[in-house]
Amino acid sequence: EAQVTQNPRYLITVTGKKLTVTCSQNMNHEYMSWYRQDPGLGLRQIYYSMNVEVTDKGDVPEGYKVSRKEKRNFPLILESPSPNQTSLYFCASSSRGTQYFGPGTRLLVL
Amino acid sequence: SQQGEEDPQALSIQEGENATMNCSYKTSINNLQWYRQNSGRGLVHLILIRSNEREKHSGRLRVTLDTSKKSSSLLITASRAADTASYFCATDEIQRNDMRFGAGTRLTVKP
Repeated sequence: EAQVTQNPRYLITVTGKKLTVTCSQNMNHEYMSWYRQDPGLGLRQIYYSMNVEVTDKGDVPEGYKVSRKEKRNFPLILESPSPNQTSLYFCASSSRGTQYFGPGTRLLVL
Repeated sequence: SQQGEEDPQALSIQEGENATMNCSYKTSINNLQWYRQNSGRGLVHLILIRSNEREKHSGRLRVTLDTSKKSSSLLITASRAADTASYFCATDEIQRNDMRFGAGTRLTVKP
């Protein structure tokens, strides 16, 4: 089954404790991206990747890092999480413009 | 910053009625897409309309695009309670490699 998976689905952490949210797709898509969704703000893009080893900032990249060492994986790294990064995060991969979204990761930073 | 802005923010209708949602954007686009999101879940792609298209249909969905007004509308005909969800427009802007989403329209269809 074609899908985008994210782990973990739910995470509670404390300020400053590094964390990684994994994202994997099995559709051989070149384009992958990360979004955060906050009430009233819709989805805002954090980072995107056009292909392996090619990443670029979206609208809200501050406080986040990404890497794209393999085509299928695009992890999101929070080196020092802060409470304002509490949000719902979505990974997506894309083919011909249509984006396929993962199920989301709900993050709470205390 | 957001590119697309949906209108209205919330819409409540009775089952069987039609629902119309609008999206406005600011810059030139390659295409515009509509997505649906059930509460707290991932977005699901509904339909894509290219900048050289004016109207597109998919089942009970009808999308229009007016590039001169930089606006699009999504019409859901004969709505069902299962159509209750949030609907987002997203624009693929020319000379950008990312997509911009609006804040969404929350549709409630009452049985």
